[in-house]
Amino acid sequence: EAGVTQFPSHSVIEKGQTVTLRCDPISGHDNLYWYRRVMGKEIKFLLHFVKESKQDESGMPNNRFLAERTGGTYSTLKVQPAELEDSGVYFCASSQNWATGKLFFGSGTQLSVL
Amino acid sequence: SQQGEEDPQALSIQEGENATMNCSYKTSINNLQWYRQNSGRGLVHLILIRSNEREKHSGRLRVTLDTSKKSSSLLITASRAADTASYFCATDANGQNFVFGPGTRLSVLP
Repeated sequence: EAGVTQFPSHSVIEKGQTVTLRCDPISGHDNLYWYRRVMGKEIKFLLHFVKESKQDESGMPNNRFLAERTGGTYSTLKVQPAELEDSGVYFCASSQNWATGKLFFGSGTQLSVL
Repeated sequence: SQQGEEDPQALSIQEGENATMNCSYKTSINNLQWYRQNSGRGLVHLILIRSNEREKHSGRLRVTLDTSKKSSSLLITASRAADTASYFCATDANGQNFVFGPGTRLSVLP
């Protein structure tokens, strides 16, 4: 069974540019989460999808961040325009259902904004 | 403010020794989980303990939960070099998503 995959693994862009991160969850997992870790600090929640619906987007830092999950399969996280403070590792995770509580994580996308 | 916070931030031990990491949280929870992250990889689920449980074992891992003190500990016995990683606790603080702490960096020296 394939795990959670994220693309790209690394991205280096200049301030003001746009970057789109992609996450493919484990097949059949309705719950998809985006997290971010900045400068070795805590892993911060960004948002949670249940199928194609945004269940909780309270962690999205501002309107420069746009997440989508068309068709309830893969998800994209777009940052436009990127700022220096957006640098960090963006993790995607999926789970079969909320009650089991076990998250399966991708390897993350290391984003560097110069 | 963080819901979960691990202590210590970094821990260095010799192979064969036991490693203990602690996690404190602020609000009531339904469950608490521990994850491991090897450098450059994603987080891997280790163990989940529910709020009505006090202790749980999985192989060389032992997790305790004290809801009165809002704290948990992860004990790794007979550590190996391969246990070198960052360890995170996560709580379901608001029933909808999981809140992670900054992690403990464990180094097991051969």
